[in-house]
Amino acid sequence: AQKVTQAQTEISVVEKEDVTLDCVYETRDTTYYLFWYKQPPSGELVFLIRRNSFDEQNEISGRYSWNFQKSTSSFNFTITASQVVDSAVYFCALSEGDNTDKLIFGTGTRLQVFP
Amino acid sequence: GAVVSQHPSWVICKSGTSVKIECRSLDFQATTMFWYRQFPKQSLMLMATSNEGSKATYEQGVEKDKFLINHASLTLSTLTVTSAHPEDSSFYICSALKWTTGTYGYTFGSGTRLTVV
Repeated sequence: AQKVTQAQTEISVVEKEDVTLDCVYETRDTTYYLFWYKQPPSGELVFLIRRNSFDEQNEISGRYSWNFQKSTSSFNFTITASQVVDSAVYFCALSEGDNTDKLIFGTGTRLQVFP
Repeated sequence: GAVVSQHPSWVICKSGTSVKIECRSLDFQATTMFWYRQFPKQSLMLMATSNEGSKATYEQGVEKDKFLINHASLTLSTLTVTSAHPEDSSFYICSALKWTTGTYGYTFGSGTRLTVV
């Protein structure tokens, strides 16, 4: 069965600090997809990234970067030079590629960035 | 881009009444849709998977007679909370599975905040 763990419940930083959000997943499948979503106070989910299990390359998108390590089953997310607008709940999620297609979410990490 | 419209965005209803939430894929056909529930400061919990033209598959612990899901067309899935009670108050979000060449992604609705009084 698939499982996603986000051990950090809440993180508080001051603007311009770098912050890393941890994500550890469990799956028996060799083919799977990992996602990160941002949920601002409005509640709407904002898609950030998708990574398939065969692509371990790290990715950078502006101030965002992701580190995928299959050896440790982790898919961590780093925000560089954080801004107040980054304050939100961030979810890591996993979908197994066995045609069930269910997307299972981690418990989320609430990030607060103070000015 | 893929867009999913979810209505209503919020609803208040009296205990014992039923509430219907709609989820429409506007620019693509969604053979599979998902319904999630999110309590305050908690994660999104998958309630059920609905496939067009067939019965929904409910996750363990979700009452199928209470949460009726209908996916009668390729662009519309509905969730009806029957005989709602205050403990059903929650944020409900739908998601549509969108296939592109060789792969797939998820498009989420904007959510419905249900308050049962």
